[in-house]
Amino acid sequence: GENVEQHPSTLSVQEGDSAVIKCTYSDSASNYFPWYKQELGKGPQLIIDIRSNVGEKKDQRIAVTLNKTAKHFSLHITETQPEDSAVYFCAAISSYKLIFGSGTRLLVRP
Amino acid sequence: DSGVTQTPKHLITATGQRVTLRCSPRSGDLSVYWYQQSLDQGLQFLIQYYNGEERAKGNILERFSAQQFPDLHSELNLSSLELGDSALYFCASSVAGGGGDTQYFGPGTRLTVL
Repeated sequence: GENVEQHPSTLSVQEGDSAVIKCTYSDSASNYFPWYKQELGKGPQLIIDIRSNVGEKKDQRIAVTLNKTAKHFSLHITETQPEDSAVYFCAAISSYKLIFGSGTRLLVRP
Repeated sequence: DSGVTQTPKHLITATGQRVTLRCSPRSGDLSVYWYQQSLDQGLQFLIQYYNGEERAKGNILERFSAQQFPDLHSELNLSSLELGDSALYFCASSVAGGGGDTQYFGPGTRLTVL
């Protein structure tokens, strides 16, 4: 079946540093790639998404890049803050279904 | 707050039992999606309904079923429960039923099967 791989599984950074999470997908027809942040005890919250007609999208300290040829996309968080600590999931649409990566646990050390 | 509501928040039951999870989508959203999140399987898509009709199906077990009612709320029924069904169950909603619609997740129902 269709698959989304996500790396790394855990990431620890110093406050103020940047964090990068990478994902690859298998379905070449995928055209929508959201990123979700999940805090403990809560549901996934959409933080940014990108569609296949653009290569990059930014929203304040968060940016996402997409390389359709290589079938990979990345999340970049700059100037990390302790409240960025959470689990981040990438996802890709495949035949109406959102296929999620396995998640990255981000820890921002004060 | 995403605007998606789910009840109950927690559910504890025994093996072999049947439970019903409920979801109300955001106002104006026509699609409802169900996901299962377990420690070893991550977030798995179960099923999608759009305006009362089944739109897409994932790896949903035959013991599980769902429906979407005329007021657009949805219920996920889990029967003959097994220990392995213990997980978080999330509902999400989107405006339409297309593949690229933004999905907003509810707070989830934590199911514990003893």
